Amino acid sequence: EIVLTQSPGTLSLSPGERATLSCRASQSVSSNYLAWYQQKPGQAPRLLIYGASSRATGIPDRFSGSGSGTDFTLTISRLEPEDFAVYYCQHHGSSPFTFGPGTKVDIK
Amino acid sequence: QVQLQESGPGLVKPSETLSLTCAVSGFSISSDYYWGWIRQPPGKGLEWIGSIYHSGSTYYNPSLKSRVTMSVDTSKNQFSLKLSSVTAADTAVYYCGRHPGAGYGGYYFDNWGQGTRVTVSS
Repeated sequence: EIVLTQSPGTLSLSPGERATLSCRASQSVSSNYLAWYQQKPGQAPRLLIYGASSRATGIPDRFSGSGSGTDFTLTISRLEPEDFAVYYCQHHGSSPFTFGPGTKVDIK
Repeated sequence: QVQLQESGPGLVKPSETLSLTCAVSGFSISSDYYWGWIRQPPGKGLEWIGSIYHSGSTYYNPSLKSRVTMSVDTSKNQFSLKLSSVTAADTAVYYCGRHPGAGYGGYYFDNWGQGTRVTVSS
């Protein structure tokens, strides 16, 4: 089973700033099958990125994903007020499809 | 536009079986996608429970495999989850979702239901 670790646990930033979130895997993720989700309180997660760098339908281009092997990054170029949320990574290459513990992005 | 809606009891007694259904609308469950369940305990992260294809083929999280049964009803365009011998640790919001398969970029959830809260308590 691939274990995912996310850092930092909490990221305190202001609107307009750049956010950089990290996801590290315990072993290499096959085909870079790494996804990112955004979750707001009381809502279901929303897919942002899959395959490490492909944006899901309707996702603004301020969200970008990068990385390979065991180290992956989600970057939000300029934080909008609606971007303050919890972000989870998930490897989606082979069962079991595990999630990271999440990074909370809150308003500084 | 695909929509998923979970339904089922919000309260289940310890040692009993949790049963949930996910109704899919706007999209045929018989299309080339998988359908899965994910849960989130209060204040915690996400855990994949298992997935099913319209043929009935399933795969489950090994940590829950002994207690999980999933089924699909193509005539009603819905799929279901049964989790047996529940304890308080199974208290969570349960989500259903859709994901492609290995030939389409892997198993990421591109559509989710709104979730249903299930509490295990006597």
